[in-house]
Amino acid sequence: EAEVAQSPRYKITEKSQAVAFWCDPISGHATLYWYRQILGQGPELLVQFQDESVVDDSQLPKDRFSAERLKGVDSTLKIQPAELGDSAMYLCASSFPTPDTQYFGPGTRLTVL
Amino acid sequence: DQQVKQNSPSLSVQEGRISILNCDYTNSMFDYFLWYKKYPAEGPTFLISISSIKDKNEDGRFTVFLNKSAKHLSLHIVPSQPGDSAVYFCAASGGAQKLVFGQGTRLTINP
Repeated sequence: EAEVAQSPRYKITEKSQAVAFWCDPISGHATLYWYRQILGQGPELLVQFQDESVVDDSQLPKDRFSAERLKGVDSTLKIQPAELGDSAMYLCASSFPTPDTQYFGPGTRLTVL
Repeated sequence: DQQVKQNSPSLSVQEGRISILNCDYTNSMFDYFLWYKKYPAEGPTFLISISSIKDKNEDGRFTVFLNKSAKHLSLHIVPSQPGDSAVYFCAASGGAQKLVFGQGTRLTINP
C-alpha cells in the first residue's frame, strides 16, 4: 500500500539552530500539506501545496519557517532559527484535489532544547 | 474559535462493547467529514469519511453518523477491540475551508 514518507522521524536541536524536514507524498497526489501538532491538540495546517504552488500558507510563521516543493513531488519544511515553542510533531499529508481525504506520514517529532 | 470540537478528552470501554465517539462543528459550510485514528509517535491514519449528502456510512466495525441539523457527527465502533485503543480525531472541510481537526478523544479498550 502506498504511503507518505517523512524523515527524520525524530530530531533534537538547540534553539537558534536550523532544522529541515523532508516529505515524499503518495505517488500521483498533487496536493501536499504540512501540519504541526502540539500534544493534546489536533493537527493545524501550516502550508498547502497544489503541485509546486503554495495554495495556503496563512498559518506559516514566515519569519522563521519556509517550505518548498520545487518539482511538485517531494517537499522540504525548514525552521531557522528554531525556538523552544517549535517543539511539536510535524506531519506531512497528501491527497488528490478532491475529495479531501488526506493521508498522513509518520511525522517528525521535533524537540528544541 | 474552535470550529470542530470533541468535548470528551477520553473514553474507556469494555472489550466487545460499543464505543461511541462524538464531534460537534459550528461551520455550516462544512460538507465533508472524516475520522482519523492516531497511535503514539505515528501519524494519523484515515478511518472513515462521510459526505453531507449522507447521514450514515459504514465500513466493517466502523460506522459514522451525521446529523446536519444538530451539526453533530459520531463514530461507532462495534465490537471494540484492544487494538482500537488510540486517539481519535474528527475533521471537517467544505467550500474554501481547509481541513479542520478537533482536539481528539483518547479511547481505551479494557480487556
